[in-house]
Parts: sequence; structure tokens; C-alpha cells
Amino acid sequence: NFMLTQPHSVSESPGKTVTISCTGSSDSIVSNFVQWYQQRPGSAPTTVIYESKRRPSGVPDRFSGSIDSSSNTASLTISGLKTEDEAVYYCQSYDSATWVFGGGTELTVL
Amino acid sequence: EVHLVESGGGLVQPGGSLRLSCAASGFTFSNYEMNWVRQAPGKGLEWLSYISSSGSGGYAADSVKGRFTTSRDNAKSSLYLQMNSLRAEDTAVYYCARVRDTSFGVDYWGQGTLVTVSS
Repeated sequence: NFMLTQPHSVSESPGKTVTISCTGSSDSIVSNFVQWYQQRPGSAPTTVIYESKRRPSGVPDRFSGSIDSSSNTASLTISGLKTEDEAVYYCQSYDSATWVFGGGTELTVL
Repeated sequence: EVHLVESGGGLVQPGGSLRLSCAASGFTFSNYEMNWVRQAPGKGLEWLSYISSSGSGGYAADSVKGRFTTSRDNAKSSLYLQMNSLRAEDTAVYYCARVRDTSFGVDYWGQGTLVTVSS
């Protein structure tokens, strides 16, 4: 079964840059798009990156997505960190009639 | 503005049934594929099911296959999740989610409805 693996948590200081990785168990992460969702405590998820590197309207350009096909890894990079970026971030992709979420990465901005 | 509003959650005994609804507004519901996703307390997101825009096709996660059925009524702009043979491990917040039309991803989420399975 296709799986997506994320680090459990990351932390960084305000104003800095952080990168969250999402490694796929197969090359489906390259052949199918990756999405990234932000979930603040007590709220529903929202989309911050779709089609691996595109931003929905309203998402600041501090958020960017990329794919490294050599390692089957997608990454979410957040620059100029703000305290409001504290949240859990989930990656998601698709393979063979199955939607798959990563386990989520808790971002702490301190 | 796109709105997805789930309802129908609540407390149900193990082995019982529940039907969730998701009312959609702000877009042409019949043009979009939809998903159900859930989140157990303190846990991550788990995809449950997908349904095509017409409702004629769909698929589900192995964890709910045979117990949960997804359907839709495009005339009412509504999505449904019929849940049978509920177990304690089905306790979660259930979200309906609109599928982005250009990729296998979600563009809009509902606010969720809590289902608690307990005696």
C-alpha cells in the first residue's frame, strides 16, 4: 500500500525558513500531484499548496511546494515564519483509487 | 463563496447506524467530485471515500468498505455518508471535501461533524 511519511514535528523561530518533507513509498508521488493542507487547532484543514507547487488564491507566497523525483519526496517550505503559521501540516497524494494522507507534521514557531 | 456544512453527527451505540449529510452551496454541486475524510481525536486525517460528480462511480477505503456508503443528490446539492455497523474506532470528526477539478486534491473542506460511538 502506498504511504506518505512526514516528520512528526518541526520547530523554528519567527522570521526563519522551515521545510517539511513528505516521502512517498513509491514514485506515485511524482506521477500524481501532492497537496499540502494546514490545520490549526480546533479548525478544519485548509489547502496551502495544490498540484505539488501551486498556491490557492489568498495563500501568501511565503508558502511554496516542490518535488524531488530522485527521492520521491515532496516538500513544503514556509519562509518568513509567523506565529500564525503554527499548525499541523498534512501532505496528500493519490495512487490506484486510494487517496493517501501523510501522518502530519506539527509546526511550532517559537 | 463555497460552503460545505456537515450535519447528522452525534452519539451512537456500537453496532448502530448513522447518516451524515453535507449541504453544499456557492458552486454548481453537480460539476464536482466529492470526498469524505475523517479525523479521530488527536489523530491525523484519514480518507474514507470518493464519489464522482454524477454519483455513478466511486470507491472507498478498505477500513470502511462494506460498512459505509457514499451517495449524493445533485438536485439537493447534498452529499451523504451512510454508516452501518459502527465501532468505537469510528469515533471521529467527519469532513466532506470538494475535489479540485484539476487534480486528486481537495480545494474546500466543511467544518466537520463529530460522531461518537460508545455505549
